[in-house]
Amino acid sequence: QQKVQQSPESLIVPEGAMTSLNCTFSDSASQYFAWYRQHSGKAPKALMSIFSNGEKEEGRFTIHLNKASLHFSLHIRDSQPSDSALYLCAVSPTEGADRLTFGKGTQLIIQP
Amino acid sequence: EAAVTQSPRNKVAVTGGKVTLSCNQTNNHNNMYWYRQDTGHGLRLIHYSYGAGSTEKGDIPDGYKASRPSQENFSLILELATPSQTSVYFCASGDRGNYAEQFFGPGTRLTVL
Repeated sequence: QQKVQQSPESLIVPEGAMTSLNCTFSDSASQYFAWYRQHSGKAPKALMSIFSNGEKEEGRFTIHLNKASLHFSLHIRDSQPSDSALYLCAVSPTEGADRLTFGKGTQLIIQP
Repeated sequence: EAAVTQSPRNKVAVTGGKVTLSCNQTNNHNNMYWYRQDTGHGLRLIHYSYGAGSTEKGDIPDGYKASRPSQENFSLILELATPSQTSVYFCASGDRGNYAEQFFGPGTRLTVL
C-alpha cells in the first residue's frame, strides 16, 4: 500500500521569506502528484499538480518532482500571512486525481 | 467553481446507532469520494464511486458502507456507529484525466458517544 510522508510536521516562516515543504512516496508507479491547501475549519482545496519530472511554476508557487528519488516539494516565494494553512501532499496511481493517498500534512504559519 | 455540499454539517450519534452522511455535487463529475480526517492521520479514503450504481472500497472501508444512487448523490453509511468513528468526514468529486483535481465539500463533524 502506498505510503506518503510529509516533512516538516510544522513550520514557522517570517513574512516575505521562502517556504519549502517536502513529500516522499513509496510507490514508484505513481503518476499524479499534487498539493492541497486547507485553511483552518475549511475544506481542502487543490493548489498545484504535476505529472512528469521537473518543475512547474504558478505565481509564487513552484512544485518540483523527482520520481527517481520518490520525492516532490512545494516552494512558496514571498510567503504571506494568508498562506498560513495545513498543506497536504497527495499521490495517485493514475494520471489524474483519482484514489488519492494523502500525507499527514504540514502546518504552516507565516509570521508578520 | 465545482460545488459539493454535505449534510448534516454536524452530527452527534450514539454507539450502535445508524448514521447516514449525504453528499451532493452539481458538476456532473463521474467520480466521488469519501474521506475521514483525524489529527495525526491526514485524509484517508473510505469509499469511492465511478458512477451511479457503483461503489468501491478505499483504504479504510471497515465499518462503512457507501451508496451512489445517482450521478449527483453519494452517501456514507455507518450501520453500527462506534466512538472510533468520531471524525470529520469529507466528500469530494472529480473527473479523470490529466490536470483533474478533486473538489471537496465543507465536511461533516461526527461525534459518536
